Amino acid sequence: RKEVEQDPGPFNVPEGATVAFNCTYSNSASQSFFWYRQDCRKEPKLLMSVYSSGNEDGRFTAQLNRASQYISLLIRDSKLSDSATYLCVVAPAGNNRKLIWGLGTSLAVNP
Amino acid sequence: EAGVTQFPSHSVIEKGQTVTLRCDPISGHDNLYWYRRVMGKEIKFLLHFVKESKQDESGMPNNRFLAERTGGTYSTLKVQPAELEDSGVYFCASSQSTEHMVNEQFFGPGTRLTVL
Repeated sequence: RKEVEQDPGPFNVPEGATVAFNCTYSNSASQSFFWYRQDCRKEPKLLMSVYSSGNEDGRFTAQLNRASQYISLLIRDSKLSDSATYLCVVAPAGNNRKLIWGLGTSLAVNP
Repeated sequence: EAGVTQFPSHSVIEKGQTVTLRCDPISGHDNLYWYRRVMGKEIKFLLHFVKESKQDESGMPNNRFLAERTGGTYSTLKVQPAELEDSGVYFCASSQSTEHMVNEQFFGPGTRLTVL
């Protein structure tokens, strides 16, 4: 079983749509959680950290369910510029700088 | 402020040759990481430096890979001899040093290595 699992997609949505990505992780002792964004042939960039209480940054909302070992990312009012791969990332307990990556979910927002 | 830089951006070598990748972290970042993405697979952690010391090298695939960070500034990752399965994108990242927090890791553009 992979340490971090994501639906690879692709998700094809029209502009303005709401889209949700899910991610599960296998290590129940994991400590820190993130969503990264990666554009084609570019480096990954931190989109947002995910906190236990859930957090929002503009059109983006992240949720964490520790009991189910599940992380989600919701994008509202999708823009063309949101087209990218979204990577779910987990840092294990005891070594919170070693990042464990999901395969990524591909999103294409269409006009 | 300059970001993380990596050199070269692309490298094509033959099996059995040696390649050295270089990473210059953001100035003042004590933490430096190497990751690799093989086509079709997840990004995988290779190792982590704190200044010039290897903090965690649990992700290094085998002894054909040697990472150094002399002086605690830039880092090199040498693959010798290269094998076909070493092909992929090698990312370097850096972060500030804070004792109890997981700080954002800033990534370089990567080196795309192709071993023929």
